[in-house]
Amino acid sequence: GQQLNQSPQSMFIQEGEDVSMNCTSSSIFNTWLWYKQDPGEGPVLLIALYKAGELTSNGRLTAQFGITRKDSFLNISASIPSDVGIYFCAGPNTGANSKLTFGKGITLSVRP
Amino acid sequence: DVKVTQSSRYLVKRTGEKVFLECVQDMDHENMFWYRQDPGLGLRLIYFSYDVKMKEKGDIPEGYSVSREKKERFSLILESASTNQTSMYLCASSIHRGRETQYFGPGTRLLVL
Repeated sequence: GQQLNQSPQSMFIQEGEDVSMNCTSSSIFNTWLWYKQDPGEGPVLLIALYKAGELTSNGRLTAQFGITRKDSFLNISASIPSDVGIYFCAGPNTGANSKLTFGKGITLSVRP
Repeated sequence: DVKVTQSSRYLVKRTGEKVFLECVQDMDHENMFWYRQDPGLGLRLIYFSYDVKMKEKGDIPEGYSVSREKKERFSLILESASTNQTSMYLCASSIHRGRETQYFGPGTRLLVL
């Protein structure tokens, strides 16, 4: 089946640094979604991308839909302590069944 | 804003008990989903529903059942809880088929002793 790959599993950065994460697949996706999950909470949608090459920002977050449609990138600029959490990418399964494939997530830690 | 609520944030049950997890969404979404989340395994789909009284198995349905009697409510049932069902359970909803963006509830952390 379809898989979304996110690595590394964990990232450790200093407050104020920028960080970039990517999500890759061997399959083509027509939509890319980025979620953030705070500790003990449910995932919250950060950014949705619907078109190859699309670049979308949400505050300090910027995400891009890769031109090959097999990858997507999420950048966080000037990180702050509340950026800690798990960042998931997701994309719809093939076929019109509304199910999503999720990456395993990247746990981000921010050192003050 | 879409709101998905789950009946409990934390739950402690004993092995063999019947457990009900309730999920309600207030945006008239057609699709609803139940996932469990375990360290290292990511999000795994248990069951989903496209409409009232309709359900489909996800990737790990064994040991679970679901009920959708009203459009806004989707219940996950553990008929006889076991310790390997200790997990974080997440409910999600999306508008309709072809609109895949899912909105999640806050999660229920279930401990089965």
